[in-house]
Amino acid sequence: DAGVIQSPRHEVTEMGQEVTLRCKPISGHNSLFWYRQTMMRGLELLIYFNNNVPIDDSGMPEDRFSAKMPNASFSTLKIQPSEPRDSAVYFCASSLTQGTQYFGPGTRLLVL
Amino acid sequence: EDKVVQSPLSLVVHEGDTVTLNCSYEVTNFRSLLWYKQEKKAPTFLFMLTSSGIEKKSGRLSSILDKKELFSILNITATQTGDSAVYLCAVVEYGNKLVFGAGTILRVKS
Repeated sequence: DAGVIQSPRHEVTEMGQEVTLRCKPISGHNSLFWYRQTMMRGLELLIYFNNNVPIDDSGMPEDRFSAKMPNASFSTLKIQPSEPRDSAVYFCASSLTQGTQYFGPGTRLLVL
Repeated sequence: EDKVVQSPLSLVVHEGDTVTLNCSYEVTNFRSLLWYKQEKKAPTFLFMLTSSGIEKKSGRLSSILDKKELFSILNITATQTGDSAVYLCAVVEYGNKLVFGAGTILRVKS
């Protein structure tokens, strides 16, 4: 199994630009999670989907952040417009319902 | 507010030492507790604990959960430099939502 796949692995952009992060979950998993990790705040859950439906987006920082899951094998997290304080590592994880979450390699985002 | 508290925040030991990492939690709808190891990349899964008093073991690592006192411990015996990492504790709530602790930074010196 290829595991959770994320792209890009690294992204450097300028403030105000749109950023789109992509995730392909493990085949057969029906839950998908987006996390953000920073030194200051640790690992934070942003949003998660169950069977492609957003269940809890209370962790999404503000309206500049949006996430979609158009099908069982693909999800995006979009930041528009990006700000320097969005710089972090963004992880996607997937699982079976009530199962262990397996993390992707992460996208390291730097907003200048 | 749901929370997961890990202690100590950081720890430095010598190779061969035994370490115990602590995780206490206060969550509304507890399902299970997970331990992860994070080196430079993504967290990797170590253990899932759902029942009190049953020790999970994998090589030199072991973990146990106390649902009455709301805590878990992760033990590492005969530590090696490769054990150096951040160890994360997370509690699984309803709908498979995870609440993470801040982590314990472990450094094993040779």
